Amino acid sequence: ETGVTQSPTHLIKTRGQQVTLRCSSQSGHNTVSWYQQALGQGPQFIFQYYREEENGRGNFPPRFSGLQFPNYSSELNVNALELDDSALYLCASSLSGGRNSPLHFGNGTRLTVT
Amino acid sequence: AQRVTQPEKLLSVFKGAPVELKCNYSYSGSPELFWYVQYSRQRLQLLLRHISRESIKGFTADLNKGETSFHLKKPFAQEEDSAMYYCAATGGFKTIFGAGTRLFVKA
Repeated sequence: ETGVTQSPTHLIKTRGQQVTLRCSSQSGHNTVSWYQQALGQGPQFIFQYYREEENGRGNFPPRFSGLQFPNYSSELNVNALELDDSALYLCASSLSGGRNSPLHFGNGTRLTVT
Repeated sequence: AQRVTQPEKLLSVFKGAPVELKCNYSYSGSPELFWYVQYSRQRLQLLLRHISRESIKGFTADLNKGETSFHLKKPFAQEEDSAMYYCAATGGFKTIFGAGTRLFVKA
């Protein structure tokens, strides 16, 4: 069973730039969720993708966008980076988007915006 | 507003002592409750979920709907239990996490 993998592990960007983070879901999982984790905080829900469609979204501006591909892998795109976007970005896959499906997390991408 | 609160940022206990990590939630409807754990240098992973009613690594969690709490308990803490613990609630596509409690078990 292949777990959730994320790339890159670390990234440094300048304010105003754009970034793309990638995630491969665990085999057999068709749902991917993205979370932002600031230092000392719990993960904050960004959005979820189910079968290539956005299934729900948290309180993040439209400059946070995503994609899910037919193989269920996913991308998180952030435009016009701000200093406050510096955080650990976690991808999690699940068997379905339902309430009883636990999340399986990747190791995260550490984004630093300078 | 939907919210999960873990009042303790840090909990330090001696090996063999009981431990209780507190979690309170505010969530419309009937959310499913989870505890996730992150050991040093490992990814965040599921510890247990309410619906399974199971005990994992000696941990149990009781849902109290009246008090909207889902506290995590273990009667005898072990050094390997030292980790970051997150309580989470989900009503569908959105899972809300608490800020986490760092448990430190001293020898």
